[in-house]
Parts: sequence; structure tokens; C-alpha cells
Amino acid sequence: DIQMTQSPSSLSASVGDRVTITCRASQGISTYLAWYQQKPERPPKLLIYAASTLQSGVPSRFSGSGSGTDFTLTISSLQPEDVATYYCQKYHTGVTFGGGTKVEIK
Amino acid sequence: EVRVVESGGGLVQPGGSLRLSCAASGFTFSGYWMTWVRQAPGQGLELVANIKQDGSETFYVDSVKGRFTISRDNARNSLYLHMNSLRAEDTAVYYCARGLWFGELFDPWGQGTLVTVSS
Repeated sequence: DIQMTQSPSSLSASVGDRVTITCRASQGISTYLAWYQQKPERPPKLLIYAASTLQSGVPSRFSGSGSGTDFTLTISSLQPEDVATYYCQKYHTGVTFGGGTKVEIK
Repeated sequence: EVRVVESGGGLVQPGGSLRLSCAASGFTFSGYWMTWVRQAPGQGLELVANIKQDGSETFYVDSVKGRFTISRDNARNSLYLHMNSLRAEDTAVYYCARGLWFGELFDPWGQGTLVTVSS
């Protein structure tokens, strides 16, 4: 099975900072990579699919990039409402979630 | 508004059974895969099961095979998860989600229903 490894597991940043979360697949997955945001006590929300396509309604400060084994989620200017845990997920011939990255405000 | 709402969770003893339901609205239910994803307390996400539009294909994570059954009623816009022989490790919030990309992308998710397996 393909494993998905996220780093860091948690981070603390100031409002307005640029934040980058990485996700590494144990084998190449082309661009079959999604990102979800889960705010405290809320269900997950699909942010990005196909590695870089923003789901409708998602703010443009979120972006995704990568292909093959290495992917990144970037928040260009961190906002208080972005406090959440972010999960990457591999799809296409099986589903595997990463372990999550908890983002807090410094 | 596209919406899914779960129900049916609760406290059950080990070895017991439970049926979860998911009511869908705001989209053509029969046109989409549907899924159950769970999250154990303080843990990450795990796809439990999904089902094709007409029910002809299903997937189960290995840990629930033979114990859980996913089903759907397109006439009622409803999804179900029948859970038997429940174990402590099945304790989790169970989310219903509309499936995209052959049931492997999830959007939107319901609020979830908590299943607690304990004596």
C-alpha cells in the first residue's frame, strides 16, 4: 500500500505569514492528491484536488503544487480562520490519508 | 444546497450491532458514489466503505470486511452502514460523504455521528 507522510505534524505561525505543509507519497501518484481542512469540532472540507485545483469557494490564498511523490499546500497569508488540521489524501486506485498537520496561530 | 446528514450513532457493547443512516439532499443522489469515512478520537481519517451509484460495486477497508455492510436506497436518497460484531477499535465519528472520482474524493461531508463501543 502507498503511504502518505505529512510534515510537520504541527506548526505555529503569525497572522499574515506564508505557511507551507508538505506531503510525501511512498510511490509516485501522479497528481492524484487532495487536501482537506478540518477545523476544530467540524467535519473535513475538500480544499484542493488533482494536486493544484481549488475546490469551488475556497479562498485563493490556498494553493497546492507537486506531482509524483512530493506535494505542498501553501497558505499565502495565514488568517485566524485557517486554524485547523490539514490532511493530504491520495486517490485513484485506493485511498490513503496523511497523518495531518495542525496549524495554530502564534 | 448539497447536504448529507448522518444519524444512528450511539453507545453499543462489544459484539453488538448498529445501523447508521445518511440522508442526502440538494443533488441527484443516484448519480454519485457515496462513502463512509471514520475518525477515531484524536486520530486521523480512514475510508471505511463506499458504494457505486447503483449499488453494484462496494469497497470495504480490511478491518471491517465481513462485519460491516454498506447499502443505499436511491428512491429515498439514503445511505446506510450496517455494523455487526462491533469492537472497541470501531469507536469513532462516522462521516457520510458524497463520493467524487469513483468514490475516492469526498465532498461534502456530514457533521458525523459518534459510535462508541464499550461495556
